[in-house]
Amino acid sequence: EAGVTQSPTHLIKTRGQQATLRCSPISGHTSVYWYQQALGLGLQFLLWYDEGEERNRGNFPPRFSGRQFPNYSSELNVNALELEDSALYLCASSLAPLGTQYFGPGTRLLVL
Amino acid sequence: GDSVTQMEGPVTLSEEAFLTINCTYTATGYPSLFWYVQYPGEGLQLLLKATKADDKGSNKGFEATYRKETTSFHLEKGSVQVSDSAVYFCALSNDNYGQNFVFGPGTRLSVLP
Repeated sequence: EAGVTQSPTHLIKTRGQQATLRCSPISGHTSVYWYQQALGLGLQFLLWYDEGEERNRGNFPPRFSGRQFPNYSSELNVNALELEDSALYLCASSLAPLGTQYFGPGTRLLVL
Repeated sequence: GDSVTQMEGPVTLSEEAFLTINCTYTATGYPSLFWYVQYPGEGLQLLLKATKADDKGSNKGFEATYRKETTSFHLEKGSVQVSDSAVYFCALSNDNYGQNFVFGPGTRLSVLP
């Protein structure tokens, strides 16, 4: 069974640009979660989608947004990039809402 | 709100030593508890979990018991290997609107041969 996949693996942008990160959950999983792991900081919860709806979001500004598609894959969009947005962005999926989360390998975003 | 506290490390041990990484939590209701491991350059992998009080999760020689009376979920392994070197995250999942998922800061473990 394929795990959670994320693309791209690395992304380099300049300040002010927009970044789009993608995530495909494990087949059958309906919930997708996004986390930011900045250097020296822990894992910060960003967004949770289930059945196409945003269920919850963490303490991040509105320029962090996303969506979940009918096939349960998800996009995370970060607008007006700032240097401090440089981080590893992790996607996870679960079979049921608030169930055990399985993580993808992450997208490493570098903002110059 | 809900929170997870764990020893931040780094923890450095010799091969075959006993490992304990402490984790305590604050939460309303009855959260599920997890340990995840992150090897260098990789994403997080589920190591073990427990969904109710007194449950013991175990995997790859690691164990943790959900202790509601002490709100703890300490990770233990009897004999660590060099390949266990990684960052370990304690986490909780709670059906609590506004703050469902909380991870601890992670504990970096280095095992020396």
